[in-house]
Amino acid sequence: DAKTTQPTSMDCAEGRAANLPCNHSTISGNEYVYWYRQIHSQGPQYIIHGLKNNETNEMASLIITEDRKSSTLILPHATLRDTAVYYCIVSAGGNTDKLIFGTGTRLQVFP
Amino acid sequence: DAGVIQSPRHEVTEMGQEVTLRCKPISGHNSLFWYRQTMMRGLELLIYFNNNVPIDDSGMPEDRFSAKMPNASFSTLKIQPSEPRDSAVYFCASRGDAQWGKLFFGSGTQLSVL
Repeated sequence: DAKTTQPTSMDCAEGRAANLPCNHSTISGNEYVYWYRQIHSQGPQYIIHGLKNNETNEMASLIITEDRKSSTLILPHATLRDTAVYYCIVSAGGNTDKLIFGTGTRLQVFP
Repeated sequence: DAGVIQSPRHEVTEMGQEVTLRCKPISGHNSLFWYRQTMMRGLELLIYFNNNVPIDDSGMPEDRFSAKMPNASFSTLKIQPSEPRDSAVYFCASRGDAQWGKLFFGSGTQLSVL
């Protein structure tokens, strides 16, 4: 699986958009980009995933560059409850595929 | 949907004792994962199953660790004998065929080996 690089930590003001970058320059053509988050002491929670096109759901938006070497997770209006560690993962998918978590980005949302 | 259920929520034991962690995946899910999380090593994949068959156990630290999935609704992770360095939060996760990138995690078991 391709490796990802994320900033160690980021801050964001409550109500503003949080933009979390992820670099995956060695991603293969069949690999998806997944985002999870882990709120303190809880299990990780799936947020969103994509292959080539930008994706949006009720939690966030995912922007993938045209060359697919990087992506950005956008939380449009961050709240204090969005304070968490955010993980970017690339994986080829499939029933027998595994997801390997890196160190992630610790997002702190402040009032 | 009750989600992935793990038990116990907390476990405190003494070095050398056997520890058994339990997991009930979401009904209908056919893949199950065991992860371990520590401050030093982050979230590590230990083993995962597909249709009750172990697919990859390369993350299991050593022979003291073993995992089983006797049926689609139950899995155990056993540590025998336990050591202080096994202290961690152990998470179980499951997923279905239709959403192979979307794992559902349990609340974890906080294990402390004294």
